[in-house]
Amino acid sequence: DTGVSQNPRHKITKRGQNVTFRCDPISEHNRLYWYRQTLGQGPEFLTYFQNEAQLEKSRLLSDRFSAERPKGSFSTLEIQRTEQGDSAMYLCASSRTGYHEQYFGPGTRLTVT
Amino acid sequence: ILNVEQSPQSLHVQEGDSTNFTCSFPPSNFYALHWYRWETAKSPEALFVMTLNGDEKKKGRISATLNTKEGYSYLYIKGSQPEDSATYLCAYPYGGSQGNLIFGKGTKLSVKP
Repeated sequence: DTGVSQNPRHKITKRGQNVTFRCDPISEHNRLYWYRQTLGQGPEFLTYFQNEAQLEKSRLLSDRFSAERPKGSFSTLEIQRTEQGDSAMYLCASSRTGYHEQYFGPGTRLTVT
Repeated sequence: ILNVEQSPQSLHVQEGDSTNFTCSFPPSNFYALHWYRWETAKSPEALFVMTLNGDEKKKGRISATLNTKEGYSYLYIKGSQPEDSATYLCAYPYGGSQGNLIFGKGTKLSVKP
């Protein structure tokens, strides 16, 4: 399978704990995006990378959130001191410079209890 | 602030019915309009990327039209099947044709056998 993969698929954590998600994009794609979807809403942009550089961050991305893409391949999204409002589906997408299409992974569903 | 609106929010049809949904977006500074299908527990799947006014694209029983002057796109499904049950999302790239996507809330389609 050469699509975008995300791990874990589900994560249940207690409020105040830290969590980290991983995204492996399609191998030749140099752009990588993170989105978050909450109930009843469409996906909302969080941040994106071109190669290893983080080029844009949404104001939705509070100080508790940090994303990295150290070698321009996979990316991690860490949430520190989770809150119940962080419960959502976290989606990763990748694309190639010069092309419109973004290809999505299956998402990581986070539940904060 | 870009706003992408979709209607209806949900739709229940019988197998064999044809149906259509609407996506409206700001007509100024148009770059592209994306349609995705998102089935439960799967990755959002790209259906169409539409770039030209008057564009009409087709994939099997699904087709889409685009009017960039008035800022709307229609998605049509001919002869709905139970496997068409999914949430259909439209999205608009912000700040350029490869920008992060601004999504509508989606139309949830349920097709009863």
